[in-house]
Amino acid sequence: QSALTQPASVSGSPGQSITISCTGTSSDVGGYNYVSWYQHHPGKAPKLMIYEVSNRPSGVPDRFSGSKSGNTASLTISGLQAEDEADYYCSSYTSSSTLVFGGGTKLTVL
Amino acid sequence: QVRLQESGPGLVKPSETLSLTCTVSGGSISGYYCYWMRQPAGKGLEWIGRIYTSGSTDYNPSLKSRVTMSLDTSKNQFSLRLSSVTAEDTAVYFCARDDKDIGAAAVFWGQGSLVTVSS
Repeated sequence: QSALTQPASVSGSPGQSITISCTGTSSDVGGYNYVSWYQHHPGKAPKLMIYEVSNRPSGVPDRFSGSKSGNTASLTISGLQAEDEADYYCSSYTSSSTLVFGGGTKLTVL
Repeated sequence: QVRLQESGPGLVKPSETLSLTCTVSGGSISGYYCYWMRQPAGKGLEWIGRIYTSGSTDYNPSLKSRVTMSLDTSKNQFSLRLSSVTAEDTAVYFCARDDKDIGAAAVFWGQGSLVTVSS
């Protein structure tokens, strides 16, 4: 299975909004509403931010939102804060009953 | 709060078998999917596989021939074995568990365990 495609890096200033894309195929992202997004601060455990395309686990700020169109899912962070600076990974369920991650996106808050 | 902790040797010799155990506290592994992921230094997360309470497993096709996952519900633990390791298997290994009504996602994660493959 091939990794999902994410931009290597994105950046934004505090208060701004950014969007991270996650492109797959009809066998993963496009075929199932099981896209998740994780925030990872190096040296710490990854944290689930979005599940099933657009749902937020308890405790995740509503500044984080997810969506999907065709084979591409997106994570949008509005009102950027310094603590949002981290690596972000998407993942998707696949037609092989496996999961696949994206390559990761480094978010820099300027 | 559900907590997970990976344990196992931090150094494994090439061609040998990597073995890690994940101990879960604050919640059960019964009725949940348990996952293993890894992250080589400077690279992204890679999904290794998952095991359900019944013992059914799903593995990353690229690792399937070398991976075995098992669980012990009496100890609330699940384990990973990766055979014939090479330097490319050097990584931080994470265990995780899902949660009710959250599909195909790792909700609770361990802090990670660095495993180095070297002679």
